[in-house]
Amino acid sequence: NAGVTQTPKFRVLKTGQSMTLLCAQDMNHEYMYWYRQDPGMGLRLIHYSVGEGTTAKGEVPDGYNVSRLKKQNFLLGLESAAPSQTSVYFCASTLEVLGANVLTFGAGSRLTVL
Amino acid sequence: GQNIDQPTEMTATEGAIVQINCTYQTSGFNGLFWYQQHAGEAPTFLSYNVLDGLEEKGRFSSFLSRSKGYSYLLLKELQMKDSASYLCAAMDSNYQLIWGAGTKLIIKP
Repeated sequence: NAGVTQTPKFRVLKTGQSMTLLCAQDMNHEYMYWYRQDPGMGLRLIHYSVGEGTTAKGEVPDGYNVSRLKKQNFLLGLESAAPSQTSVYFCASTLEVLGANVLTFGAGSRLTVL
Repeated sequence: GQNIDQPTEMTATEGAIVQINCTYQTSGFNGLFWYQQHAGEAPTFLSYNVLDGLEEKGRFSSFLSRSKGYSYLLLKELQMKDSASYLCAAMDSNYQLIWGAGTKLIIKP
């Protein structure tokens, strides 16, 4: 099993460009999440999904859009990239949120916006 | 507001014991998680506490006091490979995780 796979691993964008980060999981997990991680700050939730066809806003959703057309895939889009979106992005998934349900993270996508 | 506090950085010696503290304030509480994150890698799960007390798992133990909003991660017999950041996260009443900024642990020989 591959677990959670994120693509691309690295990307450099110019301000105003758009791009999509892809997250794929092969564990049949219902819940999927997109986080960003910045120096000196905790992981911040951007958007999440509780099942195929559903999405919801997290703590820092502005400037991002998501889609969950298939259960195994969760896409994160940047509509018009800004330097403030320079970050490391992590996708995570879990089967359910009750009890000690562990998040499985992807390897991360490092995005630089110039 | 909801908040997690943990030290930014700690240094310890190989073979020693280190305790990483975490205090939390959340709207409701559904458990406390510890994750390990090596530099440039993804976080990986270490422990989960939902009831007061100590949970031991090999060289790692985690403690929770719900009345004090406090947890700690105890690492024994430190090894160089334990050099990493340790992330504390509390789950609130909506089952959302609130993450601390992480504690960078430096192990010296």
